[in-house]
Amino acid sequence: SAVISQKPSRDICQRGTSLTIQCQVDSQVTMMFWYRQQPGQSLTLIATANQGSEATYESGFVIDKFPISRPNLTFSTLTVSNMSPEDSSIYLCSVRASGTEAFFGQGTRLTVV
Amino acid sequence: LAKTTQPISMDSYEGQEVNITCSHNNIATNDYITWYQQFPSQGPRFIIQGYKTKVTNEVASLFIPADRKSSTLSLPRVSLSDTAVYYCLVENGFNKFYFGSGTKLNVKP
Repeated sequence: SAVISQKPSRDICQRGTSLTIQCQVDSQVTMMFWYRQQPGQSLTLIATANQGSEATYESGFVIDKFPISRPNLTFSTLTVSNMSPEDSSIYLCSVRASGTEAFFGQGTRLTVV
Repeated sequence: LAKTTQPISMDSYEGQEVNITCSHNNIATNDYITWYQQFPSQGPRFIIQGYKTKVTNEVASLFIPADRKSSTLSLPRVSLSDTAVYYCLVENGFNKFYFGSGTKLNVKP
């Protein structure tokens, strides 16, 4: 199993600013992902965080808006840049080791005003 | 990318058995079927995974017919605390994975 610590748990931000969300795992994992979950909706994959290289983004998500870092096998950050109210959502970090179940953080609830 | 189809919502009463069916007509040979549970304000949590026939753990059972084009998650004797959203996923366990719309289960007293 893996225990994920995601920070902050929630934040209220002004439009036009940026927020960086941290994801810390208690063990080394091969795969880390970032998801977005808008109110009442399912989870949407933003990107795969690759250790030591650029993240792989899903259609509709770009690096300029959602820069991601993954300096090692236990840590990643997601930045939501130049925020607008449409970015208000829950952002979730997920990890998995190959061939196993995925684990999720508690999420970061972001409100942009 | 295998797409899944589930009922949007289901209602049940405490003590009943609940069966949630998921359709995945385009499942690949190396895909597994995995179910996750999500409570409000929490990340999803793994429930059960299977490839074919029947899998049972302390929480649920998963029934998969021979053609693997559908699967049924069975929750025995549900309680109010089982009220959650249940997601069916098909994926091979080694790559990224996508969530479908999920089934919102409402358990009533």
